[in-house]
Amino acid sequence: GAVVSQHPSWVICKSGTSVKIECRSLDFQATTMFWYRQFPKQSLMLMATSNEGSKATYEQGVEKDKFLINHASLTLSTLTVTSAHPEDSSFYICSASGQIHYGYTFGSGTRLTVV
Amino acid sequence: DQQVKQNSPSLSVQEGRISILNCDYTNSMFDYFLWYKKYPAEGPTFLISISSIKDKNEDGRFTVFLNKSAKHLSLHIVPSQPGDSAVYFCAASRDSSYKLIFGSGTRLLVRP
Repeated sequence: GAVVSQHPSWVICKSGTSVKIECRSLDFQATTMFWYRQFPKQSLMLMATSNEGSKATYEQGVEKDKFLINHASLTLSTLTVTSAHPEDSSFYICSASGQIHYGYTFGSGTRLTVV
Repeated sequence: DQQVKQNSPSLSVQEGRISILNCDYTNSMFDYFLWYKKYPAEGPTFLISISSIKDKNEDGRFTVFLNKSAKHLSLHIVPSQPGDSAVYFCAASRDSSYKLIFGSGTRLLVRP
Protein backbone atom coordinates (compact mmCIF):
# COMPACT_ATOMS: atom_id res chain seq x y z
CA GLY A 1 0.00 0.00 0.00
CA ALA A 2 0.92 3.66 -0.25
CA VAL A 3 3.29 4.90 2.42
CA VAL A 4 4.14 8.45 3.38
CA SER A 5 7.09 9.07 5.64
CA GLN A 6 7.30 12.25 7.68
CA HIS A 7 10.34 13.43 9.62
CA PRO A 8 11.09 14.37 12.26
CA SER A 9 8.33 12.94 14.43
CA TRP A 10 9.01 15.54 17.06
CA VAL A 11 11.21 18.58 17.38
CA ILE A 12 11.90 21.19 20.02
CA CYS A 13 13.40 24.47 18.90
CA LYS A 14 14.17 27.87 20.33
CA SER A 15 12.04 30.84 19.52
CA GLY A 16 13.32 32.65 16.46
CA THR A 17 14.87 29.64 14.78
CA SER A 18 13.60 27.78 11.72
CA VAL A 19 12.50 24.18 11.51
CA LYS A 20 12.18 21.99 8.42
CA ILE A 21 9.76 19.09 8.21
CA GLU A 22 10.05 16.54 5.41
CA CYS A 23 7.31 14.51 3.83
CA ARG A 24 8.18 11.69 1.44
CA SER A 25 6.01 9.34 -0.56
CA LEU A 26 7.89 6.06 -0.50
CA ASP A 27 6.19 3.92 -3.10
CA PHE A 28 4.25 6.26 -5.33
CA GLN A 29 4.64 9.59 -7.04
CA ALA A 30 2.81 12.30 -5.18
CA THR A 31 1.69 14.93 -7.62
CA THR A 32 -0.06 16.77 -4.82
CA MET A 33 0.89 17.11 -1.19
CA PHE A 34 -1.10 18.75 1.55
CA TRP A 35 0.06 20.22 4.83
CA TYR A 36 -2.18 20.31 7.88
CA ARG A 37 -1.81 21.45 11.45
CA GLN A 38 -3.74 20.32 14.45
CA PHE A 39 -4.03 22.06 17.79
CA PRO A 40 -4.91 19.96 20.83
CA LYS A 41 -8.43 18.57 20.70
CA GLN A 42 -9.16 20.35 17.45
CA SER A 43 -9.59 19.32 13.87
CA LEU A 44 -6.95 19.07 11.20
CA MET A 45 -6.76 22.41 9.46
CA LEU A 46 -5.42 22.54 5.93
CA MET A 47 -2.56 24.99 5.63
CA ALA A 48 -1.54 24.63 2.01
CA THR A 49 -1.63 22.49 -1.09
CA SER A 50 1.48 21.95 -3.14
CA ASN A 51 1.85 20.52 -6.61
CA GLU A 52 5.18 19.27 -7.81
CA GLY A 53 7.17 21.98 -9.51
CA SER A 54 4.83 24.83 -8.77
CA LYS A 55 4.18 27.26 -5.95
CA ALA A 56 2.04 26.14 -3.05
CA THR A 57 -1.49 27.39 -2.63
CA TYR A 58 -2.07 28.62 0.89
CA GLU A 59 -5.35 28.64 2.74
CA GLN A 60 -6.75 31.89 3.98
CA GLY A 61 -5.02 33.11 7.11
CA VAL A 62 -1.84 31.07 6.62
CA GLU A 63 1.29 33.20 6.24
CA LYS A 64 3.18 31.96 3.21
CA ASP A 65 6.35 33.78 4.23
CA LYS A 66 6.32 32.05 7.58
CA PHE A 67 5.41 28.56 6.39
CA LEU A 68 7.60 27.89 3.39
CA ILE A 69 6.59 24.90 1.32
CA ASN A 70 8.75 23.29 -1.31
CA HIS A 71 7.64 20.41 -3.53
CA ALA A 72 10.67 19.99 -5.74
CA SER A 73 10.15 16.36 -6.67
CA LEU A 74 7.31 13.88 -7.00
CA THR A 75 8.33 12.17 -3.79
CA LEU A 76 9.35 14.99 -1.47
CA SER A 77 7.73 18.06 0.00
CA THR A 78 9.12 20.15 2.82
CA LEU A 79 7.53 22.59 5.22
CA THR A 80 9.83 25.12 6.86
CA VAL A 81 8.53 27.06 9.81
CA THR A 82 10.59 30.23 9.77
CA SER A 83 11.32 32.36 12.84
CA ALA A 84 9.25 30.02 14.96
CA HIS A 85 7.37 31.33 17.97
CA PRO A 86 5.65 29.47 20.80
CA GLU A 87 2.27 29.96 19.14
CA ASP A 88 3.55 27.88 16.22
CA SER A 89 3.77 24.89 18.53
CA SER A 90 1.41 22.36 17.05
CA PHE A 91 1.11 18.98 15.37
CA TYR A 92 1.90 19.19 11.66
CA ILE A 93 0.80 16.46 9.28
CA CYS A 94 1.35 15.98 5.59
CA SER A 95 -0.65 13.92 3.16
CA ALA A 96 0.01 12.91 -0.40
CA SER A 97 -2.05 12.06 -3.43
CA GLY A 98 -0.89 10.78 -6.79
CA GLN A 99 -2.15 10.31 -10.30
CA ILE A 100 -2.10 6.56 -10.05
CA HIS A 101 -2.73 6.32 -6.36
CA TYR A 102 -6.02 7.98 -5.71
CA GLY A 103 -7.08 9.15 -2.35
CA TYR A 104 -4.90 10.36 0.46
CA THR A 105 -2.18 8.88 2.58
CA PHE A 106 -1.04 10.70 5.66
CA GLY A 107 2.33 10.92 7.26
CA SER A 108 2.73 10.15 10.94
CA GLY A 109 2.93 13.80 11.90
CA THR A 110 5.48 16.08 13.53
CA ARG A 111 5.04 17.51 17.00
CA LEU A 112 6.71 20.94 17.03
CA THR A 113 7.38 22.64 20.35
CA VAL A 114 8.85 26.12 20.31
CA VAL A 115 10.38 27.26 23.58
CA ASP B 1 -17.65 28.73 8.22
CA GLN B 2 -17.42 25.09 9.12
CA GLN B 3 -18.19 23.09 5.99
CA VAL B 4 -17.90 19.72 7.68
CA LYS B 5 -19.37 19.23 11.12
CA GLN B 6 -19.25 16.48 13.67
CA ASN B 7 -21.60 17.61 16.37
CA SER B 8 -20.83 14.89 18.87
CA PRO B 9 -17.42 15.42 20.43
CA SER B 10 -17.55 12.04 22.15
CA LEU B 11 -19.34 8.71 22.11
CA SER B 12 -19.21 5.80 24.53
CA VAL B 13 -20.36 2.34 23.46
CA GLN B 14 -20.33 -1.11 25.02
CA GLU B 15 -18.13 -3.70 23.37
CA GLY B 16 -20.07 -5.75 20.84
CA ARG B 17 -22.66 -3.05 20.23
CA ILE B 18 -22.93 -0.77 17.24
CA SER B 19 -21.11 2.57 17.13
CA ILE B 20 -22.67 5.24 14.97
CA LEU B 21 -20.68 8.35 14.22
CA ASN B 22 -22.35 11.19 12.39
CA CYS B 23 -21.15 13.92 10.10
CA ASP B 24 -22.91 16.77 8.32
CA TYR B 25 -21.66 18.96 5.51
CA THR B 26 -22.83 22.17 3.94
CA ASN B 27 -21.02 22.35 0.61
CA SER B 28 -23.02 20.67 -2.14
CA MET B 29 -19.88 20.55 -4.29
CA PHE B 30 -18.43 17.82 -2.10
CA ASP B 31 -18.64 14.48 -3.84
CA TYR B 32 -16.13 12.33 -2.03
CA PHE B 33 -16.22 11.52 1.66
CA LEU B 34 -13.81 9.71 3.91
CA TRP B 35 -13.53 8.52 7.48
CA TYR B 36 -10.25 8.48 9.34
CA LYS B 37 -9.22 7.07 12.66
CA LYS B 38 -6.60 8.93 14.64
CA TYR B 39 -4.59 8.27 17.77
CA PRO B 40 -2.81 11.10 19.62
CA ALA B 41 0.48 12.20 18.08
CA GLU B 42 -0.08 10.06 15.00
CA GLY B 43 -1.29 10.76 11.50
CA PRO B 44 -4.85 9.80 10.53
CA THR B 45 -5.41 6.29 9.25
CA PHE B 46 -7.83 5.84 6.39
CA LEU B 47 -10.85 3.70 7.21
CA ILE B 48 -13.40 3.91 4.45
CA SER B 49 -14.64 6.26 1.78
CA ILE B 50 -17.70 6.82 -0.34
CA SER B 51 -18.36 8.79 -3.47
CA SER B 52 -21.53 10.70 -4.03
CA ILE B 53 -22.80 8.25 -6.63
CA LYS B 54 -23.32 5.71 -3.87
CA ASP B 55 -25.34 5.74 -0.69
CA LYS B 56 -23.57 2.92 1.10
CA ASN B 57 -20.15 1.40 1.22
CA GLU B 58 -19.16 -1.51 3.40
CA ASP B 59 -15.79 -2.87 4.44
CA GLY B 60 -15.81 -5.53 7.11
CA ARG B 61 -17.11 -4.08 10.35
CA PHE B 62 -17.25 -0.57 8.88
CA THR B 63 -20.13 0.80 6.82
CA VAL B 64 -20.52 4.35 5.64
CA PHE B 65 -23.92 5.69 4.68
CA LEU B 66 -24.42 8.83 2.63
CA ASN B 67 -27.64 10.82 2.46
CA LYS B 68 -27.01 13.49 -0.14
CA SER B 69 -30.33 15.21 0.20
CA ALA B 70 -29.71 15.68 3.91
CA LYS B 71 -25.97 16.33 3.40
CA HIS B 72 -25.31 13.77 6.06
CA LEU B 73 -23.08 10.77 6.36
CA SER B 74 -22.55 8.26 9.11
CA LEU B 75 -20.05 5.59 10.00
CA HIS B 76 -21.32 2.39 11.55
CA ILE B 77 -18.96 0.07 13.36
CA VAL B 78 -20.38 -3.29 14.29
CA PRO B 79 -19.50 -5.05 16.44
CA SER B 80 -17.49 -2.41 18.28
CA GLN B 81 -14.24 -3.50 19.85
CA PRO B 82 -12.09 -1.83 22.54
CA GLY B 83 -9.37 -1.37 19.92
CA ASP B 84 -11.72 0.90 18.02
CA SER B 85 -11.34 3.52 20.73
CA ALA B 86 -9.83 6.57 19.01
CA VAL B 87 -10.83 9.88 17.49
CA TYR B 88 -12.74 9.56 14.25
CA PHE B 89 -12.70 12.30 11.66
CA CYS B 90 -14.93 12.61 8.67
CA ALA B 91 -13.57 14.51 5.69
CA ALA B 92 -14.97 15.74 2.42
CA SER B 93 -13.54 16.69 -0.91
CA ARG B 94 -14.64 17.76 -4.35
CA ASP B 95 -12.98 14.70 -5.85
CA SER B 96 -10.59 11.97 -4.88
CA SER B 97 -7.48 14.09 -5.21
CA TYR B 98 -8.61 17.53 -4.16
CA LYS B 99 -8.00 18.98 -0.74
CA LEU B 100 -9.79 17.46 2.23
CA ILE B 101 -11.89 19.42 4.64
CA PHE B 102 -12.08 17.76 8.04
CA GLY B 103 -14.73 17.73 10.70
CA SER B 104 -13.78 18.39 14.30
CA GLY B 105 -13.70 14.72 15.24
CA THR B 106 -15.59 12.40 17.58
CA ARG B 107 -13.80 10.58 20.34
CA LEU B 108 -15.08 7.02 20.51
CA LEU B 109 -14.66 4.95 23.63
CA VAL B 110 -15.58 1.29 23.44
CA ARG B 111 -16.01 -0.11 26.94
CA PRO B 112 -15.06 -3.75 27.53
